[in-house]
Amino acid sequence: ETGVTQSPTHLIKTRGQQVTLRCSSQSGHNTVSWYQQALGQGPQFIFQYYREEENGRGNFPPRFSGLQFPNYSSELNVNALELDDSALYLCASSSGGTNNEQFFGPGTRLTVL
Amino acid sequence: GEDVEQSLFLSVREGDSSVINCTYTDSSSTYLYWYKQEPGAGLQLLTYIFSNMDMKQDQRLTVLLNKKDKHLSLRIADTQTGDSAIYFCADRTSGSARQLTFGSGTQLTVLP
Repeated sequence: ETGVTQSPTHLIKTRGQQVTLRCSSQSGHNTVSWYQQALGQGPQFIFQYYREEENGRGNFPPRFSGLQFPNYSSELNVNALELDDSALYLCASSSGGTNNEQFFGPGTRLTVL
Repeated sequence: GEDVEQSLFLSVREGDSSVINCTYTDSSSTYLYWYKQEPGAGLQLLTYIFSNMDMKQDQRLTVLLNKKDKHLSLRIADTQTGDSAIYFCADRTSGSARQLTFGSGTQLTVLP
């Protein structure tokens, strides 16, 4: 069974640029959630995708957007990057069952200069 | 909105027990989780407890839940140097996404 994978592992961008982060969910999982973890903080929920539809969103502006594909992999896109977007971006997949255990990938470290 | 709070640091001696505490505000939380994060890594799910339980034991880990006080704790027995990490508690909200709300994490340092 393959766990959650994310790419790239590290990324450096400049203010105003756009970035796309990718996530492959664990086998058998149809739900993907994205979290932003700033340095020294706990992860904060960005949004969730279930069967290719956005299923809930946290307190993030519209320049944070996403996609989920038929194989349940997902992308997080961030437009007009700001310095405060520098963070570890975590993807978590789950099967949507009663417990909804979320299994996290290793994250993508984004640095905005 | 929901809030989850944890103390920032805990230091213990190898072989002792560690107790990491967490408080939450969402009275409709159904599941509460403990995650471990090692430097430069993602989050590893350690254990979870359903809100109608008071206690759950899983090998060296014991979770205690006081729903009245909205207080959750994680006890690690016989703490080892490999347990040094940041520990996050999280509660699952009742919204459609059932997303997790995390605390800021407790840095556990195990001294030899």
